[in-house]
Amino acid sequence: SQQGEEDPQALSIQEGENATMNCSYKTSINNLQWYRQNSGRGLVHLILIRSNEREKHSGRLRVTLDTSKKSSSLLITASRAADTASYFCATDYFSGAGSYQLTFGKGTKLSVIP
Amino acid sequence: DGGITQSPKYLFRKEGQNVTLSCEQNLNHDAMYWYRQDPGQGLRLIYYSQIVNDFQKGDIAEGYSVSREKKESFPLTVTSAQKNPTAFYLCASSIAPGEETQYFGPGTRLLVL
Repeated sequence: SQQGEEDPQALSIQEGENATMNCSYKTSINNLQWYRQNSGRGLVHLILIRSNEREKHSGRLRVTLDTSKKSSSLLITASRAADTASYFCATDYFSGAGSYQLTFGKGTKLSVIP
Repeated sequence: DGGITQSPKYLFRKEGQNVTLSCEQNLNHDAMYWYRQDPGQGLRLIYYSQIVNDFQKGDIAEGYSVSREKKESFPLTVTSAQKNPTAFYLCASSIAPGEETQYFGPGTRLLVL
C-alpha cells in the first residue's frame, strides 16, 4: 500500500545550504507526516501537516502541502552535518479494519558535507 | 527513541527456526505496530494492534505472528514459514489508532545463518 514517493532518492549538499525533498502521493489524505531515520536506527517524527493546511514550520524545517497536486515538500534550511539521514514521508490510508494506518515512501537519503 | 525498547539489537535465525522479537513501550499508548524495512526501501506494515487482546494483519503478515496480552508489550514471532526474513524490524506505537504520530523503537536487525 505504498503510496508516498520521495524525490530525489539521494541528495548531497554542502553544510549551510538548503535541502529540499519532495513527496508525491496517489489518493486523498487526512494528513501527511515527515520522519527522519539515522542509519541503522528507528524513525523520528519531524512534523505533521493536515490536509487543510498549506504550510507549516518547525525550527529549520518548512513543510508545504498541495492537495490539488497531491504533493508535499520538506525544506531544511542552513543544513548541518548532523542533518545527514534518510527522510520519509508518510500518508494515512483507511485500512478497512476501522482505522487509518500510515504508508511510507522509500525515502530521500540526504548527505550534508562539512 | 521515545520510550519504546526493542530487543535484541541483532538476532540470528537458523533454517526452520522460529524467533521472537521483543517490543515494550512505557508511553501508555493504545496502538502498536510492527514494520519491516528492507535496504533502500520504505517501511511495510506487518501487524498492528489497536487495543489489548486485539490485532490485525498488515500488508505482509504471512510468516509472522503477534500477541498483545499486555498494553505495553507487542512481541513479533518470525516463523519458519517466512522464507526471506532478513530485514530490519521496527516497532512503533501511537496514542490512538490511526492518523496520530507514531513513535519508533531502535529496531532489530534479523539475519539468517
